[in-house]
Amino acid sequence: EDQVTQSPEALRLQEGESSSLNCSYTVSGLRGLFWYRQDPGKGPEFLFTLYSAGEEKEKERLKATLTKKESFLHITAPKPEDSATYLCAVQDNYGQNFVFGPGTRLSVLP
Amino acid sequence: DSGVTQTPKHLITATGQRVTLRCSPRSGDLSVYWYQQSLDQGLQFLIQYYNGEERAKGNILERFSAQQFPDLHSELNLSSLELGDSALYFCASSAGWSNQPQHFGDGTRLSIL
Repeated sequence: EDQVTQSPEALRLQEGESSSLNCSYTVSGLRGLFWYRQDPGKGPEFLFTLYSAGEEKEKERLKATLTKKESFLHITAPKPEDSATYLCAVQDNYGQNFVFGPGTRLSVLP
Repeated sequence: DSGVTQTPKHLITATGQRVTLRCSPRSGDLSVYWYQQSLDQGLQFLIQYYNGEERAKGNILERFSAQQFPDLHSELNLSSLELGDSALYFCASSAGWSNQPQHFGDGTRLSIL
C-alpha cells in the first residue's frame, strides 16, 4: 500500500531563517511526486512535480529535491507570506491512486 | 484563481439525506478528480474521471458516486449521509489523465447535523 509521511508536523521559522521539509514515501513504482501549498480555507496550489531520483526543481525561495525514498522542500530566506501548509503527494506506476501526506504547517514570523 | 469552480461553497444537511456537489474544471482540462479532506484523515483521493470515463478509484464509499458530463463538468453525489461525512470536498482538474499537475478548486464544506 502506498504511504506518504511528512515531517515535521509543524515548523515555526523567523523571517530569513532557511529550513527543509521532509516527505518520505513508500510506493510500488513512483510515477510522480507532487508538492502543493495550501492556505487556510483554500484548495491546494500546485508547486512542483518530480519524476526521478536526483531531480531538482526551483521556484523563487523554494527548491524541491527527490531521492528514491524521500523528497525535500528547501525554503531559503522565507518570508511571512510563505506561511502555509505544504503537502506532498505521490502517484504510483499503476496510475490508479494519488496519496497525499498529512502536510507540514509552516509559520514564518516577521 | 485556479480556474476550477465548485458549488456550493457551503452545504448543511441532516443524516440520511442526499446531496450533489458540482465542479467545473479549468478550460481545456479533461480530467476531474474528487477529494475529501477532514481534520483526522487529511486529503483522501476519491475518484478520477477523464473525458467522461472513470479513470481511477480511491477510497470512495459505495454511498458516494460521481460522473463527468459531456461538457466536462462533474458531480459528486453523496447519499445516506452520516455525521462522519462532514468534511471539505475538493475537486481538481488536469489536462491529461496521468502524472499531471492538478489544479484545485476552493472546495465545498459539507456539514452534517
